[in-house]
Amino acid sequence: AQSVTQLDSHVSVSEGTPVLLRCNYSSSYSPSLFWYVQHPNKGLQLLLKYTSAATLVKGINGFEAEFKKSETSFHLTKPSAHMSDAAEYFCVVSSPGGGNKLTFGTGTQLKVEL
Amino acid sequence: ETGVTQSPTHLIKTRGQQVTLRCSSQSGHNTVSWYQQALGQGPQFIFQYYREEENGRGNFPPRFSGLQFPNYSSELNVNALELDDSALYLCASSPNRGTSGTDTQYFGPGTRLTVL
Repeated sequence: AQSVTQLDSHVSVSEGTPVLLRCNYSSSYSPSLFWYVQHPNKGLQLLLKYTSAATLVKGINGFEAEFKKSETSFHLTKPSAHMSDAAEYFCVVSSPGGGNKLTFGTGTQLKVEL
Repeated sequence: ETGVTQSPTHLIKTRGQQVTLRCSSQSGHNTVSWYQQALGQGPQFIFQYYREEENGRGNFPPRFSGLQFPNYSSELNVNALELDDSALYLCASSPNRGTSGTDTQYFGPGTRLTVL
């Protein structure tokens, strides 16, 4: 069984300040973890993924995430928020033998204010 | 390279009717997965097709069915529509069926289904 918990349903930051979106996972196997972003009326876009290589993963648009097995966490960060970052973010887990089935968290809505 | 496309973009149906949603996978991808995203929720896995065979199914009733064609495009069919079927239906393609769980899935823009 696999699951993810996104600890904040809404996060609000000022433009130029750091972003932290929190995610904890549960998996019976060595998981692969992903962050996807969904802008209004758009499909899901992959930001980054972890697949058991380096624990610090860099993604697009300045985002990165760190896999911490001891804490079962995969938090998403960005040093400086931009207005265009405002969107819904999903933490996602996939496990070996699961047919590449993705299990999504409930999402975190990021708001960026001037 | 063409990404994942879905049709139609929006659809309105009444309770009890049947609906067919369509998806064209990204070039070179042989695996298609379907997800249902209810308002304010994360997407939920419906099923996956690999080379025209169902390759996994989520917790959805049999009235949700699918097909994959030789060109790897896919259809999602829903019979006896219920009000709770109102959602955004997302299709995703990947280059392999992903037994390792590491493959990236590339999503289309979705079909917004409203059941009245």
